Amino acid sequence: DGGITQSPKYLFRKEGQNVTLSCEQNLNHDAMYWYRQDPGQGLRLIYYSQIVNDFQKGDIAEGYSVSREKKESFPLTVTSAQKNPTAFYLCASSIQAGGYYEQYFGPGTRLTVT
Amino acid sequence: SQQGEEDPQALSIQEGENATMNCSYKTSINNLQWYRQNSGRGLVHLILIRSNEREKHSGRLRVTLDTSKKSSSLLITASRAADTASYFCATDDFKAAGNKLTFGGGTRVLVKP
Repeated sequence: DGGITQSPKYLFRKEGQNVTLSCEQNLNHDAMYWYRQDPGQGLRLIYYSQIVNDFQKGDIAEGYSVSREKKESFPLTVTSAQKNPTAFYLCASSIQAGGYYEQYFGPGTRLTVT
Repeated sequence: SQQGEEDPQALSIQEGENATMNCSYKTSINNLQWYRQNSGRGLVHLILIRSNEREKHSGRLRVTLDTSKKSSSLLITASRAADTASYFCATDDFKAAGNKLTFGGGTRVLVKP
């Protein structure tokens, strides 16, 4: 059963703590993405990776970090420097990067920081 | 600022009616995509239209693209309660470096049975 998994579905953290969100895909896709979605809003790109060991900042990268050591995995760390981390985080992948390729999304992780 | 902006922000219709939503964008594009998101879930790809295409169909979906007006529309015909969701357009920037999509704010569609 191919797809993208994100864990956990809900995550609660205290302010000042770093937290890492998991994203795994078994679609053999080269490109992976992290988006943030606030209530009633669209998606904003945090980071994306076109290939293993490479990644680029998106529109709202401040306070976030990523790694891409394996093709299947693209974890996102929300650091204490992120001023407003409470949001719905979506991971996606595509065969290759670029607007010609559809993106496949995971189910999302809802992060609440208090 | 958002590359794509959907209009209307929210739409409420009766089952069986058609739903039309629009997307406007600012820069030249190669492709435009439409996605659906059920509440609290990930997005699902619906359809992709290239900049040299004017209209595309997929089942009950019809997408048009007018590059001169930098706009696209998504029509859902004979709507069903299961079509209740948010719909997003996503564009790539023809001139921008990097290969990424920019999503609009979405149209929330409620189909009443």
